[in-house]
Amino acid sequence: DAKTTQPNSMESNEEEPVHLPCNHSTISGTDYIHWYRQLPSQGPEYVIHGLTSNVNNRMASLAIAEDRKSSTLILHRATLRDAAVYYCILGRSAGNKLTFGGGTRVLVKP
Amino acid sequence: GAVVSQHPSRVICKSGTSVKIECRSLDFQATTMFWYRQFPKQSLMLMATSNEGSKATYEQGVEKDKFLINHASLTLSTLTVTSAHPEDSSFYICSARDAAGGGYTFGSGTRLTVV
Repeated sequence: DAKTTQPNSMESNEEEPVHLPCNHSTISGTDYIHWYRQLPSQGPEYVIHGLTSNVNNRMASLAIAEDRKSSTLILHRATLRDAAVYYCILGRSAGNKLTFGGGTRVLVKP
Repeated sequence: GAVVSQHPSRVICKSGTSVKIECRSLDFQATTMFWYRQFPKQSLMLMATSNEGSKATYEQGVEKDKFLINHASLTLSTLTVTSAHPEDSSFYICSARDAAGGGYTFGSGTRLTVV
């Protein structure tokens, strides 16, 4: 499985944007880039995913580099409820397993 | 949106007993479900892939006779921890993906404590 690299932790102030980087230099052409987040004592929650083009949804935006070797998850206005561990994961075809790396622990300060 | 229900949310059992954890996809069919284990302050570790109507595929180092997986229908997979020991205490999480496509949905997890 292709590997992803993320910073261990990041801090942000409430109401400010958060940019979470992810490096995936060994990504293959069929790998989707998935982002999930996990709040304390809960299962992971889907945030967003993409293949080549930038993606937006109500939770976040995903900016994918042109060479697809890196991506950035953007939380436009962080709230205290966004404090969680964010995982960047590469996954292939439908039904394929997701392998979690270390993730980035996001701390949001009021 | 897709919902995966996992039960129980917490369970305490005595050493040597077995515990069954259920994972149900409530509003979609899942031919494949996944079981993860998570120790405190660590990431999720994939244990096995549960396939409806066939044997589960276990990750390297996971004992298939200890962690029994059954996926008898398109909406239910179960994980049974047999002869549980204190080192099996962990947070167990299941995941499923809609056979029709879409993202992976995770259950809320089961915290197992073996005393």
